[in-house]
Amino acid sequence: EIVLTQSPGILSLSPGESATLSCRASQTVSSSYLAWYQQKPGQAPRLLMYGASSRATGIPDRFSGRGSGTDFTLTISRLEPEDFAMYYCQHYDNSRWTFGQGTKVEIK
Amino acid sequence: QLQLQESGPRLVKPSETLSLTCTVSGGSVSSSTYYWGWIRQPPGKGLEWIGSVYYGGSTYYNPSLRSRVSISLDTSKNQFSLKLYSVPAADTAVYYCARISSSWGTSWFDPWGQGTLVTVSS
Repeated sequence: EIVLTQSPGILSLSPGESATLSCRASQTVSSSYLAWYQQKPGQAPRLLMYGASSRATGIPDRFSGRGSGTDFTLTISRLEPEDFAMYYCQHYDNSRWTFGQGTKVEIK
Repeated sequence: QLQLQESGPRLVKPSETLSLTCTVSGGSVSSSTYYWGWIRQPPGKGLEWIGSVYYGGSTYYNPSLRSRVSISLDTSKNQFSLKLYSVPAADTAVYYCARISSSWGTSWFDPWGQGTLVTVSS
């Protein structure tokens, strides 16, 4: 069973700064098997990235994803006020879907 | 545009069965292109995949819940359903349904229903 560990738990930044969120897998995974979601309070999660680096429809290009092996990152360049939220990574393998525990990006 | 809507009792007694239905509009659960899934989120906590179903009836469950979960499709109503048996208070959560896309071996949830809070309490 693959476990996804996200860090940091909380990221305190100011609008305009860049955010780098980490998602580490407990074993080597295919880079294409990772997705990222954004969730705001009281809302359902929204797909941001799939296949590790492909943006979902309507997602601005300030969001980017990369990584390989066990280490993956979601980068948000030039944080906008609407970007302050929870972020989850998700992996799929062998008919099993797994989420990381989340990173909160909060306003400093 | 595909939309999903969860429905079902918001309050369930401990040891009873939690039953939810997800109604899909703007698309068909009979599509061979997609899976359909349930995810839950306890208050203040992270996301947990519960299980998924494919149009042919194949089901896949989180091993931690497999012994007491069942997911099924109703193509005549364009719905899929979740049953969670013998629920304890720890099953209190917001339950989401979602469409699952797959490509080149990877898979992701999009879109999601708005979610429904189910409380397990006597």
